[in-house]
Amino acid sequence: DTEVTQTPKHLVMGMTNKKSLKCEQHMGHRAMYWYKQKAKKPPELMFVYSYEKLSINESVPSRFSPECPNSSLLNLHLHALQPEDSALYLCASSLWQYYNYGYTFGSGTRLTVV
Amino acid sequence: GQQVMQIPQYQHVQEGEDFTTYCNSSTTLSNIQWYKQRPGGHPVFLIQLVKSGEVKKQKRLTFQFGEAKKNSSLHITATQTTDVGTYFCADREREIWETSGSRLTFGEGTQLTVNP
Repeated sequence: DTEVTQTPKHLVMGMTNKKSLKCEQHMGHRAMYWYKQKAKKPPELMFVYSYEKLSINESVPSRFSPECPNSSLLNLHLHALQPEDSALYLCASSLWQYYNYGYTFGSGTRLTVV
Repeated sequence: GQQVMQIPQYQHVQEGEDFTTYCNSSTTLSNIQWYKQRPGGHPVFLIQLVKSGEVKKQKRLTFQFGEAKKNSSLHITATQTTDVGTYFCADREREIWETSGSRLTFGEGTQLTVNP
């Protein structure tokens, strides 16, 4: 298995809703990432997990709450989002966080906040 | 934080023409990774360059890392319609690596369109 699987693929949520994005990989990668990508812009790093521990938080608002239940799963809990949070949310993983390996990205969750 | 500048922002070519995108930094880059994102898709890792002056080839794609490790380029020979997409360079920031791990910083990308 050489994929990162993200669910759901599309999500529409109201500003008062609570939802979660899920990410799964079975490649034995011990670093996992959440990125946010707006249209025609590069991916922007949100969070980095290394060995199930949060190692980088890029000053992301608390309405985004990451969770790494085990080495294969990564969640992003969403609460009280704003319309400007609408974007493509990408999960990625890599073999080691501290070495020069490429990232494997999932196909993303396209989020619309109404 | 470190900024990676990428040019051009857009490039439109006729099928069969060559294409080059450039990535520049004012500071020394630890390494450069290149990704391709098809329209409506997700970034796909292409290659990583680590050594000064390194050149790597993948079929019609040639990747170079500058001697001073401050610039990199991706050259596609004889473009095909399957080459359409946005090409990103990405740098791993060294100063973060030694403390809490790596952060990949993406350039703005070059969007390539190919006219058949």
